[in-house]
Amino acid sequence: GAGVSQTPSNKVTEKGKYVELRCDPISGHTALYWYRQSLGQGPEFLIYFQGTGAADDSGLPNDRFFAVRPEGSVSTLKIQRTERGDSAVYLCASSLEVTDTQYFGPGTRLTVL
Amino acid sequence: QKEVEQNSGPLSVPEGAIASLNCTYSDRGSQSFFWYRQYSGKSPELIMSIYSNGDKEDGRFTAQLNKASQYVSLLIRDSQPSDSATYLCAVTPFSSGSARQLTFGSGTQLTVLP
Repeated sequence: GAGVSQTPSNKVTEKGKYVELRCDPISGHTALYWYRQSLGQGPEFLIYFQGTGAADDSGLPNDRFFAVRPEGSVSTLKIQRTERGDSAVYLCASSLEVTDTQYFGPGTRLTVL
Repeated sequence: QKEVEQNSGPLSVPEGAIASLNCTYSDRGSQSFFWYRQYSGKSPELIMSIYSNGDKEDGRFTAQLNKASQYVSLLIRDSQPSDSATYLCAVTPFSSGSARQLTFGSGTQLTVLP
C-alpha cells in the first residue's frame, strides 16, 4: 500500500517568510509524528498527534512552530517568521496506534536563505 | 550529555564480515529500543526492535539489549555493500502513558567494502 507522503519534497524560502509542510500518513494510521533532522544528526522529535489532537508538543522549539491535524489524517506543520536555523529535513511518521512501529515519509528539505 | 550516544564512525568493514554497532542511553526507564537504517538522502527505515534483555535475531541482523548496562547493539552478519548506510539507534523515553516519540542517537555511518 501507499506509504507516508510529504509535500513539498524541497522548499526554499527567505528569512522571515511563512511556510507550510504537509504530511499524508498511511491510511488508517491514528498516530502521526513530526521530527526534524539536521545534517549529521538523528531525527529530533517535535510533536505527535493521536487522532486530531496534539498529544505531545513538547519538542516544538518555540511558538513560531505550530502543527494541525484537523480531520485526524493529513497534518500540516506551520513555521512562522522562518530563520536560517530552521533549515533541516522535516520528517513525518505515522503508526497504526501509538504503540506500533513508526513509518517515516521521505521528508521535506527546508532551506531558509 | 546526550540521551542516546552512538559512535559517529565511519565504521568500515570488508564484505562478508560482521559489523558491530553500539548505542548507550541515559534514561534508565527507557522501555523500547529500535534500530533504523538511513541511506543517504532517504528517510529512516526500521530494521529491528527489541524490548527485553537478551538477543533478538532477524535474518542477518541481531539486536542485543542489556538494560543494566543501558546498552543496545546491532550485529550485521555477512555484511554486504548494500548495508552501507547510517544506522540510527532510537529509544522511547519513560512515560506513564503509551506515547512512543522516539529519541534518536546521531547515527553510525557504516561502509561495507567490496
